[in-house]
Amino acid sequence: DAEITQSPRHKITETGRQVTLACHQTWNHNNMFWYRQDLGHGLRLIHYSYGVHDTNKGEVSDGYSVSRSNTEDLPLTLESAASSQTSVYFCASSAGHPYGYTFGSGTRLTVV
Amino acid sequence: AQTVTQSQPEMSVQEAETVTLSCTYDTSESNYYLFWYKQPPSRQMILVIRQEAYKQQNATENRFSVNFQKAAKSFSLKISDSQLGDTAMYFCAFMRTNSGYALNFGKGTSLLVTP
Repeated sequence: DAEITQSPRHKITETGRQVTLACHQTWNHNNMFWYRQDLGHGLRLIHYSYGVHDTNKGEVSDGYSVSRSNTEDLPLTLESAASSQTSVYFCASSAGHPYGYTFGSGTRLTVV
Repeated sequence: AQTVTQSQPEMSVQEAETVTLSCTYDTSESNYYLFWYKQPPSRQMILVIRQEAYKQQNATENRFSVNFQKAAKSFSLKISDSQLGDTAMYFCAFMRTNSGYALNFGKGTSLLVTP
């Protein structure tokens, strides 16, 4: 069965370190997204991609980057982790209109 | 960006009763998609129901139905015969049709179903 997987499920890192969160999907979807979830804010879009070598900034992209070298993967990198980036991160993929998203199970990141 | 508002941060309902979760949105477009997602304590995001704005008929999925009022820009979710497993955070989300596939989410409503 097709799936979307995120790793790790939990991570603790120190302020200033570079961190990469993995996202891998086998749906063959062109569209992939990264969101962060914080209490009182819902889910906010960080970056998204509509195909290989395509990346775009969302509403909260500062301090984050992504790259898309193949259809299956969209890793999210925190260049220099900050305590404000402590959050739950969700990756999602979509076949486009009129479909919604298929989500990964999330990564809880704590920056200490 | 389109604004999605969920005005009820928390709600509670007794098992077997019916509950309605509210969602309003702001857009100048005539065609778009609306979604409700459920997030149980497991953290997994689960699609509950989808509505296409050009369709007049309200979407229904088993015990879940929506009341879509396009002129009022309202998209409420009704859960009938509530079950303990319905306890979750519920998110309303909006997707444009003429510019990409990004979902814009509301802040969520936490629903507790009690015995």
